[in-house]
Amino acid sequence: GIQVEQSPPDLILQEGANSTLRCNFSDSVNNLQWFHQNPWGQLINLFYIPSGTKQNGRLSATTVATERYSLLYISSSQTTDSGVYFCAATGTASKLTFGTGTRLQVTL
Amino acid sequence: DSGVTQTPKHLITATGQRVTLRCSPRSGDLSVYWYQQSLDQGLQFLIQYYNGEERAKGNILERFSAQQFPDLHSELNLSSLELGDSALYFCASSVATRAGPGNTIYFGEGSWLTVV
Repeated sequence: GIQVEQSPPDLILQEGANSTLRCNFSDSVNNLQWFHQNPWGQLINLFYIPSGTKQNGRLSATTVATERYSLLYISSSQTTDSGVYFCAATGTASKLTFGTGTRLQVTL
Repeated sequence: DSGVTQTPKHLITATGQRVTLRCSPRSGDLSVYWYQQSLDQGLQFLIQYYNGEERAKGNILERFSAQQFPDLHSELNLSSLELGDSALYFCASSVATRAGPGNTIYFGEGSWLTVV
């Protein structure tokens, strides 16, 4: 099945800083999603982005399907952005395969 | 709110016991997925149902079983529980059975299971 790798595993930012999270996948994808898991465990959909670029407020994502990677940009980070960011993808199967996540801590 | 409802939110039970986790998918979604998130294993796919039928199976133990009912809600049954089964169990739903454009998968808030 498809393999999903994320980097960096951990990230500490000061409030107001920008960051880029990366997701590499091993095969062609039909679906790629970014999630934020907050400290209470909730998995929140950020983007459905199998290709192209999308923006939602301070967050944006770009997937370059031909080169098998996706990037999540967080600008002007806030403490509420803390948590774990997951990239997940499907190949020919419909189930999402998750990466191991990037744990982000935003400090004052 | 993703529209996927899971109950119970928290559950504490003893080893050897059996529990049932319940999931109601988003309105109109026919596919239901179950995932397990434990500290050492990350988010692992367990099983998928589509319109009442099993469609894909992942790392689901034989002690675990699931089904999807005619009203499309799903239940995950965990039996002969062990300490290592303590985890956050997620249900997710989507419109279609196969990956494809627009088939976003939405997750519920999860059921925290603690086995003592």
